[in-house]
Amino acid sequence: DTGVSQNPRHKITKRGQNVTFRCDPISEHNRLYWYRQTLGQGPEFLTYFQNEAQLEKSRLLSDRFSAERPKGSFSTLEIQRTEQGDSAMYLCASSFGTGDTGELFFGEGSRLTVL
Amino acid sequence: GQNIDQPTEMTATEGAIVQINCTYQTSGFNGLFWYQQHAGEAPTFLSYNVLDGLEEKGRFSSFLSRSKGYSYLLLKELQMKDSASYLCAVRDYSQAGTALIFGKGTTLSVSS
Repeated sequence: DTGVSQNPRHKITKRGQNVTFRCDPISEHNRLYWYRQTLGQGPEFLTYFQNEAQLEKSRLLSDRFSAERPKGSFSTLEIQRTEQGDSAMYLCASSFGTGDTGELFFGEGSRLTVL
Repeated sequence: GQNIDQPTEMTATEGAIVQINCTYQTSGFNGLFWYQQHAGEAPTFLSYNVLDGLEEKGRFSSFLSRSKGYSYLLLKELQMKDSASYLCAVRDYSQAGTALIFGKGTTLSVSS
């Protein structure tokens, strides 16, 4: 499968714990995006990378959230001291930077439940 | 800021035509996208408009008017499998670079 891969697919944690999600983008894509989606809402932009550089962060992204893409390939999203409000689907997407529409290809998501 | 509005829900019957509208306000518009999302699945790309006019792709068409901040997605010959959420998204370089900003989605229910 050469699509965007995310893991774990599901994570249940207790409030106050840290969680980390991983995203492996489509291999030739140099841009990688993180979104959060709650039930009945559209995906909410969190942050994005071009290669290893984090170029944009949403103002909604609190300092408990951190994302990395150390070698310009896979990315991790860490949430520290989780809160019940962090319960959501975390979606990763990737795109190719030049020469096309820049459409985003999404992974299946990582569903987080904070108890 | 960013504001994308689309109806919350729509219903239609098999074989019919449905139009889902989207209005937006942006500072640095650079493209409008429509995505389809079935329940529990990832969004998948349907269409892209950056210039005014109609883009047709099989049963689906998308229209854009940049001066009015308006787009619509037209679905023809509806099938049961078209029941899904349809997400309008804009790329606004002034807000989030190349990232897309999504509306809340329109849930379309197709009945027989």
